[in-house]
Amino acid sequence: DAGVIQSPRHEVTEMGQEVTLRCKPISGHNSLFWYRQTMMRGLELLIYFNNNVPIDDSGMPEDRFSAKMPNASFSTLKIQPSEPRDSAVYFCASSLLTGSLSTDTQYFGPGTRLTVL
Amino acid sequence: KNQVEQSPQSLIILEGKNCTLQCNYTVSPFSNLRWYKQDTGRGPVSLTIMTFSENTKSNGRYTATLDADTKQSSLHITASQLSDSASYICVVRGTTSGTYKYIFGTGTRLKVLA
Repeated sequence: DAGVIQSPRHEVTEMGQEVTLRCKPISGHNSLFWYRQTMMRGLELLIYFNNNVPIDDSGMPEDRFSAKMPNASFSTLKIQPSEPRDSAVYFCASSLLTGSLSTDTQYFGPGTRLTVL
Repeated sequence: KNQVEQSPQSLIILEGKNCTLQCNYTVSPFSNLRWYKQDTGRGPVSLTIMTFSENTKSNGRYTATLDADTKQSSLHITASQLSDSASYICVVRGTTSGTYKYIFGTGTRLKVLA
């Protein structure tokens, strides 16, 4: 398996522009997670989906952020309009949640480094 | 409030030495605790996962312990290698109203010197 695939790997944009990050989870996984990582705040969970349904979006910072998962093999995280403080590395991860306590290993993608000027 | 605190924030050791990283949590109810290793510029990779009934679990030179009573976990690295230089993140999964909650610590940055 190719693992979790994210695109683009790097994105530089100007303040006010729309940014769309993409993620392809590992085939067969039923859960997908979007994270943001900065030096100041560490790794933060933004939202996660289970069976394509958003379960917990309490980490989404504000209405400028939105995430979708139209099918089991694709998800997007959109920022509109973008601001300089959104600059961070955005990770996508997927896992297979079965209800067991010890089988929800999350596999992370390589991340998208976003710079908003 | 659900929280995960890690210490120390950063650590420098010489190659071949042992070290121990700490993780204290207040997440309740508790489901599991996981340690991740994150190399610079890459996504985190799972090292170990522990449930409430497990006290110790090893993965090569990495040994994690869990004390569910005191809500403390540690990650012990034996005979450190240069490749152990990374950030180590403790993550606790809890359950709130049937929804899993993942609480992340801010990590410990480990630097192993030759």
